[in-house]
Amino acid sequence: GPKVLQIPSHQIIDMGQMVTLNCDPVSNHLYFYWYKQILGQQMEFLVNFYNGKVMEKSKLFKDQFSVERPDGSYFTLKIQPTALEDSAVYFCASNWGGSYEQYFGPGTRLTVL
Amino acid sequence: QQQVRQSPQSLTVWEGETAILNCSYEDSTFDYFPWYWQFPRESPALLIAIRPVSNKKEDGRFTIFFNKREKKLSLHITDSQPGDSATYFCAASADYNQGKLIFGQGTKLSIKP
Repeated sequence: GPKVLQIPSHQIIDMGQMVTLNCDPVSNHLYFYWYKQILGQQMEFLVNFYNGKVMEKSKLFKDQFSVERPDGSYFTLKIQPTALEDSAVYFCASNWGGSYEQYFGPGTRLTVL
Repeated sequence: QQQVRQSPQSLTVWEGETAILNCSYEDSTFDYFPWYWQFPRESPALLIAIRPVSNKKEDGRFTIFFNKREKKLSLHITDSQPGDSATYFCAASADYNQGKLIFGQGTKLSIKP
């Protein structure tokens, strides 16, 4: 089936540093999402993105977070500066827009020390 | 505020039995209810989904029963297999939210051989 790729699979950084999580969505998909999952809990919606713009963001999407997809390249989530509570697995998802089905990537495990 | 609730948190059944996972929701504008399953350290994958126009959706051993009036749904897994052991997430989405998924807390299902 369609594949969403995420790079890197695991990232360890010191608190206060900047981190960029990369997502390569399914090629013909138009809607992109980031979800956050703390170990053992459910995934929580962070943000969705369409046509170069943020459509909606949750209260978890702090001011330190930003997303972009310059010129059809990776869909990125940037956190600057990072905080301890940002440690989680971040899942990217994409959707072509004609149905609700979202395809999830394998996740990036972010550890903030 | 938890908009999608699941029960039980964990469930153990014997191989061959039927496992029943429950889900309820609050927002009557939700119109798409996917179930995702997730194996440890893997991405969630769509298992089966239903729209409120139907009260039942079947796919092999997996069946969703949907009660719109009570805002409840359940996932029945018949002839449970050890390979069904995973965490199951009920999710919901509404049209006006560009497909943002609201996840429940998950049910961890274990199948004993």
